[in-house]
Amino acid sequence: QVQLQESGPGLVKPSGTLSLTCAVSGGSISSSNWWSWVRQPPGKGLEWIGEIYHSGSTNYNPSLKSRVTISVDKSKNQFSLKLSSVTAADTAVYYCAREQGIAAARFDPWGQGTLVTVSS
Amino acid sequence: SSELTQDPAVSVALGQTVRITCQGDSLRSYYASWYQQKPGQAPVLVIYGKNNRPSGIPDRFSGSSSGNTASLTITGAQAEDEADYYCNSRDSSGTHRVFGGGTKLTVL
Repeated sequence: QVQLQESGPGLVKPSGTLSLTCAVSGGSISSSNWWSWVRQPPGKGLEWIGEIYHSGSTNYNPSLKSRVTISVDKSKNQFSLKLSSVTAADTAVYYCAREQGIAAARFDPWGQGTLVTVSS
Repeated sequence: SSELTQDPAVSVALGQTVRITCQGDSLRSYYASWYQQKPGQAPVLVIYGKNNRPSGIPDRFSGSSSGNTASLTITGAQAEDEADYYCNSRDSSGTHRVFGGGTKLTVL
């Protein structure tokens, strides 16, 4: 079964760039699925950040679009997130997830999540 | 602000039935999916599509939809169902995904 694992620095300085990677195991990132990033600030709800297809096609949350880049590395079976010009408001647990289906779309499975703190 | 609206909190007596709702114009065109999240854990898919449960999800969880409202129903709520529940679907453009604000379910 497919498993996802996020990795990256847990601390990023204000105005810097947050960089995370999601490693996919148990399946191919080139399968017919989109791959997403979702975040959750402490004590708050879930926010969809964006998604990527193995072809490189992307869709981003309009509220974050100017700062977000999601890329895919098929050779390593992983995809990545970059969020630029971060502030304390970007402190959150960041999850990666596979999107399945079209008409009955859903996120499954999810990675365990990684906490990124923006602080000097 | 979210394009999907959920009640912030709902409570249910142990063994009773509870409905958690999600409202949004995009739900007239797209199905919602539902996620359960317990403290310190990643969300888990519980319902998707018209009314589909992933393997391992108890059959007391069910989904339905009418007009601009999607619902998650727990029939015979158990103590372990106490959690935050989030709906997800597409936004009005159909291009982007969006989550509801979440509903905290308390089992009394």
